Amino acid sequence: DAKTTQPPSMDCAEGRAANLPCNHSTISGNEYVYWYRQINSQGPQYIIHGLKNNETNEMASLIITEDRKSSTLILPHATLRDTAVYYCIVRAKNNDMRFGAGTRLTVKP
Amino acid sequence: GAVVSQHPSRVICKSGTSVKIECRSLDFQATTMFWYRQFPKKSLMLMATSNEGSKATYEQGVEKDKFLINHASLTLSTLTVTSAHPEDSSFYICSARAEGGRADTQYFGPGTRLTVL
Repeated sequence: DAKTTQPPSMDCAEGRAANLPCNHSTISGNEYVYWYRQINSQGPQYIIHGLKNNETNEMASLIITEDRKSSTLILPHATLRDTAVYYCIVRAKNNDMRFGAGTRLTVKP
Repeated sequence: GAVVSQHPSRVICKSGTSVKIECRSLDFQATTMFWYRQFPKKSLMLMATSNEGSKATYEQGVEKDKFLINHASLTLSTLTVTSAHPEDSSFYICSARAEGGRADTQYFGPGTRLTVL
């Protein structure tokens, strides 16, 4: 039972920022927001995670609203290789990772 | 990030045979590993949680006698599909939890595609 809601699909132009939304209105205080992506038939790739502060790494930025009920994953300059299914998951420490349907992002030239 | 490997990457077998899939955490120790399966165009479904030195915990609806899990060391978990049937054909993905730190991130292997003829 995924605790998140994501749009099923999105398109983005190559070179532009891709902003992927995720709703998690029932998130608990001890639950983190994780983002993974899956490219074709490969295992999911870890992107980023956060608790309440915004986070940035070499792959992406994660913006979490103040009430923590939603978040946005930002790929600042999308490339064709960023085409994948992106999963937003909420999880408390030591709990397992459960996947919803995710968002299929297609980056177009 | 941490690296998780799986072997084999793909396997084809006949009905009734058993297939073993290995999952290794290459640069970290993992007390807990997880096994997922994924059907075409579907999301990952958690099958079981594998704990080093103890019995695995299976999700509801997953037959423990059919999907044998062994986690004998902190870097290796195996999934054996016993008496495989065509409906067991799927993409099997393992994950290992890197412990310590603030959130114990899970890292995933590349997956094993099983085809049962």
